[in-house]
Amino acid sequence: GAGVSQSPSNKVTEKGKDVELRCDPISGHTALYWYRQSLGQGLEFLIYFQGNSAPDKSGLPSDRFSAERTGGSVSTLTIQRTQQEDSAVYLCASNPDRTSGSLFETQYFGPGTRLLVL
Amino acid sequence: AQKVTQAQTEISVVEKEDVTLDCVYETRDTTYYLFWYKQPPSGELVFLIRRNSFDEQNEISGRYSWNFQKSTSSFNFTITASQVVDSAVYFCALIWMDSSYKLIFGSGTRLLVRP
Repeated sequence: GAGVSQSPSNKVTEKGKDVELRCDPISGHTALYWYRQSLGQGLEFLIYFQGNSAPDKSGLPSDRFSAERTGGSVSTLTIQRTQQEDSAVYLCASNPDRTSGSLFETQYFGPGTRLLVL
Repeated sequence: AQKVTQAQTEISVVEKEDVTLDCVYETRDTTYYLFWYKQPPSGELVFLIRRNSFDEQNEISGRYSWNFQKSTSSFNFTITASQVVDSAVYFCALIWMDSSYKLIFGSGTRLLVRP
């Protein structure tokens, strides 16, 4: 079946502009995650959604970052007033509800959005 | 503190050689899961395996095998008879009971398999 999809694949923007990154999880997956991959910081967690609510926003680096999820499906990560240090690959992942006997389900990742802030 | 260490930044081997990628983890929790992901040049993270802390059985899948040893907090990954298509960055990751479902990743090991 279809995997996690993300759009756009690449985004070049000017410092100070706002950007929106989209994630479409695997159909039926209730949990959705955003991670960021940058040269200096490696892979780091940003935010986690269970359904439409975000129990853990601890990884968002500043109040310029926000995310929402509607209809328990598509999620949008918004970065306002972008800075050059926001340049990174933004990865989205999803997983299904826990199955019996399993504490954690595997997170499946999308191809990422490469963001370059000039 | 929870942490994953992949000390090997980059490994280069010739095709058909065996190669082992090291992963050492730290966690205070007794309940946790470990994962390996592959990131080819296309950029997508591809899931390879997961192992929970109560299952120390080693696993083999084709040319891939994993050695989980709680005594040394290691979860090493071996590729037998490596192929050029194995060239990628490999990440080890940890999730634990109080992690709020977020993975923490090691810094990755870049594997280059030369023909």
